[in-house]
Amino acid sequence: SQQGEEDPQALSIQEGENATMNCSYKTSINNLQWYRQNSGRGLVHLILIRSNEREKHSGRLRVTLDTSKKSSSLLITASRAADTASYFCATDRQAGTALIFGKGTTLSVSS
Amino acid sequence: DGGITQSPKYLFRKEGQNVTLSCEQNLNHDAMYWYRQDPGQGLRLIYYSQIVNDFQKGDIAEGYSVSREKKESFPLTVTSAQKNPTAFYLCASSIVPLAGELFFGEGSRLTVL
Repeated sequence: SQQGEEDPQALSIQEGENATMNCSYKTSINNLQWYRQNSGRGLVHLILIRSNEREKHSGRLRVTLDTSKKSSSLLITASRAADTASYFCATDRQAGTALIFGKGTTLSVSS
Repeated sequence: DGGITQSPKYLFRKEGQNVTLSCEQNLNHDAMYWYRQDPGQGLRLIYYSQIVNDFQKGDIAEGYSVSREKKESFPLTVTSAQKNPTAFYLCASSIVPLAGELFFGEGSRLTVL
């Protein structure tokens, strides 16, 4: 079934650096979402980008979407230790069923 | 505060037993969902409900059952037919069925002994 796949699987950076993670998907979508999950907790919605949008910002987050390449990227600028978490992309299925999630990127930010 | 409450947070089960995970929301959302998460894996959809008294199977519904008798509640039963039930279970809701942002509970971790 259609699924977003994040890359890299794991990312380790220092505080203050930028973190970029990518998501690729297989079929056409209406929108793509990014979620964050702290260890052992539920997911928290970060940002939604529609198929007719190319870029979206929210605070230190910047999301891009390239529908021709079926890919999206999430950029976290000036990372903090509190950004340490797993990040998931999720895509809808145009037929109208629930979101499909990728396996996530685990981000570790050290101080 | 509005949100989704899952209970219990941790649950241990002996093989052959059915267990029920609770999910309650006070967000007045129409749609509710159950996902399963295994270590290093993404979330996989078990069941979802767009409206009271209606629900649909997701990608991995075998060995699970649900009910939606009230808008606020969407319990998940893990039956003895589920071959590998040890996992982290996440309940979510959305304002509009199958669209927009999902709001998640804090999860229930089930371990089969």
